[in-house]
Amino acid sequence: AQRVTQPEKLLSVFKGAPVELKCNYSYSGSPELFWYVQYSRQRLQLLLRHISRESIKGFTADLNKGETSFHLKKPFAQEEDSAMYYCALKAGGYQKVTFGTGTKLQVIP
Amino acid sequence: DAGVIQSPRHEVTEMGQEVTLRCKPISGHNSLFWYRQTMMRGLELLIYFNNNVPIDDSGMPEDRFSAKMPNASFSTLKIQPSEPRDSAVYFCASDRGWSNEQFFGPGTRLTVL
Repeated sequence: AQRVTQPEKLLSVFKGAPVELKCNYSYSGSPELFWYVQYSRQRLQLLLRHISRESIKGFTADLNKGETSFHLKKPFAQEEDSAMYYCALKAGGYQKVTFGTGTKLQVIP
Repeated sequence: DAGVIQSPRHEVTEMGQEVTLRCKPISGHNSLFWYRQTMMRGLELLIYFNNNVPIDDSGMPEDRFSAKMPNASFSTLKIQPSEPRDSAVYFCASDRGWSNEQFFGPGTRLTVL
């Protein structure tokens, strides 16, 4: 069975500081990994996916199969980055997506 | 498109009452998901449907919970009888099945007193 672990419930950083939201997963096959974000009073929405290898709003995430991690990073935090972030895994061949417990990012002005 | 629509947005009820949450997926999406969000457990998948058929309901906490999808444009999640520990935000999401992205509704905040 697949599992996603986000060890931090809350991460507070100062504006301009680097951000790293941790995500580790367990899955025996080749996973598809995602980061979803929920801004205050907005819907949960996709931020980025590992297969796209893209940078969205300055965020990047690299899949490290050796460490089974998919950490979300941004070099300089902005106040508008404050939100709830969920790491998610989709098992190959199935539609079910497993979410982590989420990390609340708080960017201090 | 208005996106995934959920109703009601807020529900306050007393323990023992029946609660029905409703969801309208995005037109053309053939997969629908119900999630529960709490501070302690984060986002948990309760059940999902593909082409109106329940595929995996292993996340449904107990027999008090039931879900239906009578057609491609409507689904319900029912709790009967409701208990205070059911208090949470319930999300509905849909996707095209082959798509990697799920689209979420605004959620229903349920409070059981």
